[in-house]
Amino acid sequence: SQQGEEDPQALSIQEGENATMNCSYKTSINNLQWYRQNSGRGLVHLILIRSNEREKHSGRLRVTLDTSKKSSSLLITASRAADTASYFCATEPNYGGSQGNLIFGKGTKLSVKP
Amino acid sequence: DAGVIQSPRHEVTEMGQEVTLRCKPISGHDYLFWYRQTMMRGLELLIYFNNNVPIDDSGMPEDRFSAKMPNASFSTLKIQPSEPRDSAVYFCASSLGRAGGVYNSPLHFGNGTRLTVT
Repeated sequence: SQQGEEDPQALSIQEGENATMNCSYKTSINNLQWYRQNSGRGLVHLILIRSNEREKHSGRLRVTLDTSKKSSSLLITASRAADTASYFCATEPNYGGSQGNLIFGKGTKLSVKP
Repeated sequence: DAGVIQSPRHEVTEMGQEVTLRCKPISGHDYLFWYRQTMMRGLELLIYFNNNVPIDDSGMPEDRFSAKMPNASFSTLKIQPSEPRDSAVYFCASSLGRAGGVYNSPLHFGNGTRLTVT
């Protein structure tokens, strides 16, 4: 079963607008990461937020984490055409000490129109 | 830093043939991961290694799949015999490790091998 689910599946916006993508997960986690994938390329790490953190910023990116709701959001401000890509959340489930694996959602496909 | 290097970038083969995918992780990284990506199932973890030792291969679909890491700078994923349902993009990723059993550093992905089995 899917641990992380991104929402929406696809998002189309105009350059300059903000883009918000959401991720929900099922189990308690150690941390949550966001990755970007451009067409035909590998995934690129964007940001990691730990389970005891609520918000994190990196440039135009803002990530929030609500462990009570088991959800996270990624906000890209002042979007650019170059932000067009698929965005994935990845979670490391906390299995109470045993090693967990990093599990990816199916992604949100973001299209930013110039 | 050249990043994670995968070869070949594209592989087209006929059903029943053996396929070998190759990966060179980033120097100094002690974790190596093999993922498979399809439209239907998204990104699935197949197997991962720590210090060249396979730790979890529960994601390997069946006995037709095998992976090795003979040294810290090289890993292979082999499919024998290949089937059309194996068609996917296969990614290798490496990371610096885990502190206290938790992922504290990001995964660095290669650009993948697109496998087509006809």
